[in-house]
Amino acid sequence: NAGVTQTPKFRVLKTGQSMTLLCAQDMNHEYMYWYRQDPGMGLRLIHYSVGEGTTAKGEVPDGYNVSRLKKQNFLLGLESAAPSQTSVYFCASRPIISYEQYFGPGTRLTVT
Amino acid sequence: GDSVTQMEGPVTLSEEAFLTINCTYTATGYPSLFWYVQYPGEGLQLLLKATKADDKGSNKGFEATYRKETTSFHLEKGSVQVSDSAVYFCALSESITGGGNKLTFGTGTQLKVEL
Repeated sequence: NAGVTQTPKFRVLKTGQSMTLLCAQDMNHEYMYWYRQDPGMGLRLIHYSVGEGTTAKGEVPDGYNVSRLKKQNFLLGLESAAPSQTSVYFCASRPIISYEQYFGPGTRLTVT
Repeated sequence: GDSVTQMEGPVTLSEEAFLTINCTYTATGYPSLFWYVQYPGEGLQLLLKATKADDKGSNKGFEATYRKETTSFHLEKGSVQVSDSAVYFCALSESITGGGNKLTFGTGTQLKVEL
């Protein structure tokens, strides 16, 4: 099992550009999450999904959109990137029966 | 909402020293508690967990006990190694609107172990 994978690993965007981050999991987990990690702030929840076709807002959803068309994939979109979105983005998933989350390796995004 | 407070880093220790990283939390109800570890350039890995009061989680020589009376979940290891150098995150699980749960993280504590 690959677990949770994320693409791309690194990306540099100019202000105003758009992009999509892809998260895939092969553990048949129901729940999926997107977090951002910033220095001195731990991880903060952006959006999450409790199942295929569902999405919901987390703590810091502004400027991001998500989609969960397939159970194994969770996409995070930035429609118009801003320097404040420079961060490391982590995807996570978990099964219904447990609260522990399994994390991907992260995507480092820089917006100039 | 719920919150997690953990000690500021960085923490620098010599190999074989005793490690304690303090973590306290505020929460309504009785959340599950976790320690995650992040090695340089990698994602977070679950180190250990505890789901109810007085539970002790343990893994790879690390331990933490869920103390409801002091709302704490301190991480300890008797003898650290250079390979333990990483950032350690304390987290709790709380329910969120719409179902499911989220993890609320502390800010992380960087540990550096020297020979």
